[in-house]
Amino acid sequence: AQKVTQAQTEISVVEKEDVTLDCVYETRDTTYYLFWYKQPPSGELVFLIRRNSFDEQNEISGRYSWNFQKSTSSFNFTITASQVVDSAVYFCALSESTGANSKLTFGKGITLSVRP
Amino acid sequence: DTAVSQTPKYLVTQMGNDKSIKCEQNLGHDTMYWYKQDSKKFLKIMFSYNNKELIINETVPNRFSPKSPDKAHLNLHINSLELGDSAVYFCASSVNWGLGQPQHFGDGTRLSIL
Repeated sequence: AQKVTQAQTEISVVEKEDVTLDCVYETRDTTYYLFWYKQPPSGELVFLIRRNSFDEQNEISGRYSWNFQKSTSSFNFTITASQVVDSAVYFCALSESTGANSKLTFGKGITLSVRP
Repeated sequence: DTAVSQTPKYLVTQMGNDKSIKCEQNLGHDTMYWYKQDSKKFLKIMFSYNNKELIINETVPNRFSPKSPDKAHLNLHINSLELGDSAVYFCASSVNWGLGQPQHFGDGTRLSIL
């Protein structure tokens, strides 16, 4: 079973629409961290957010917001009023305390296309 | 200043050759990583070094040999390149190898095997 599942592979929206990218994770650890990274067409990987397993508060940063729910093992990412510059591949990742602490396990990524 | 820099950005070579990719970070981090991103965009860790010591080796073929001369550098040497090695290779670093450290990535090296 995948540790990080991003069931949506490709999403296409029109500019100004809201869009939610889903992430479901699996771990037996009580202490873990979740991340989102953005990979724009230029190819670099950009760190967006980190959330630890003890902090279920939602986070908002400008047009970006994250909803962490331990009950459903989900860490979803919403972009409000999407813009063309949001077009990218978005990765959710998990860091667990079992094994090498620093290891990141990535989901397969969601390709978001925002059309003008 | 680029935080994590990789060279070269593009590498085109023939099957059977040996090649190296260099990575340097100027963030003062203790831990560095190599990831491979395949044609389907799947990212998988290959190696991790903490202060020049190997801490993660994820069942990567012996043809891949990382070398860390100091904690700011982690190079990747690949022997006898195969078609399946074609991918984008990312270097990353983090403050240390503790749980939950954000990793900062380089821009990637696109390796194409002819």
